[in-house]
Amino acid sequence: DGGITQSPKYLFRKEGQNVTLSCEQNLNHDAMYWYRQDPGQGLRLIYYSQIVNDFQKGDIAEGYSVSREKKESFPLTVTSAQKNPTAFYLCASMRGAGNSYEQYFGPGTRLTVT
Amino acid sequence: DAKTTQPTSMDCAEGRAANLPCNHSTISGNEYVYWYRQIHSQGPQYIIHGLKNNETNEMASLIITEDRKSSTLILPHATLRDTAVYYCIVRGYNAGNNRKLIWGLGTSLAVNP
Repeated sequence: DGGITQSPKYLFRKEGQNVTLSCEQNLNHDAMYWYRQDPGQGLRLIYYSQIVNDFQKGDIAEGYSVSREKKESFPLTVTSAQKNPTAFYLCASMRGAGNSYEQYFGPGTRLTVT
Repeated sequence: DAKTTQPTSMDCAEGRAANLPCNHSTISGNEYVYWYRQIHSQGPQYIIHGLKNNETNEMASLIITEDRKSSTLILPHATLRDTAVYYCIVRGYNAGNNRKLIWGLGTSLAVNP
C-alpha cells in the first residue's frame, strides 16, 4: 500500500541529546513537510522540501535540521538547541507545490524529552 | 495571512448530518479551502477541498458561499467513527505560501449514540 511511514511511534530521550525522526513515503511525491503539534494546538510548520537536495525553513525551524537526499525520505533531527522538544511530530507529503494538491500525513512520532 | 475561524466544539447525533462551519473572510482569489480531520493521536486525514464550486466525495460535501468568505463541511450521516477534530485551512498559490498554511485549533466534533 502507498503511504507515509514514521518511526518510531513513541520516542524517549534525555535532555541534551540529538534525536532523528524518520519519515518515508512511497507515493512518489515531490514535496515533504514536517510539523509539530503541541497539546490543544494546531500544527506548526518546521521545515519543508519541494525537491531532492532542497529544503526551506518553516515558521519554527530553530533547533531543528533536515536533509532530503532521496525523494522518499525526509528525516528530521531535533537538536539539543530546541528548547521545548517534547511534542507530537507529523510528517506529510504532497504531489506538487501547487495549491490544489492535498497533503498526506504519516501517523506521527510522539517525542518525550526528560 | 489567510486564516480561518471555527467553533471550538460541536455535537451531533449518530446518523444525522453534521454541518461544520468555517469562516475565512480574508481568503484571496487563488486560495483553496481544505478540510482535514484528526482522530486523537493520529495524523490528520484529508477530507475534501474546493476553490469556488461546491464539492462532494465519498466522505463529505463542501459548500462554499458565493463570496467565498465562509464554507460548511457536511458529513451526511455521522457515525461514532467521525468523532475527531476537524480543521479548515486555506492555502495559497505558490510554494512560498506554504509558510502561510496556518492550522488553527479546529472544531472538536463529538458524535453521540
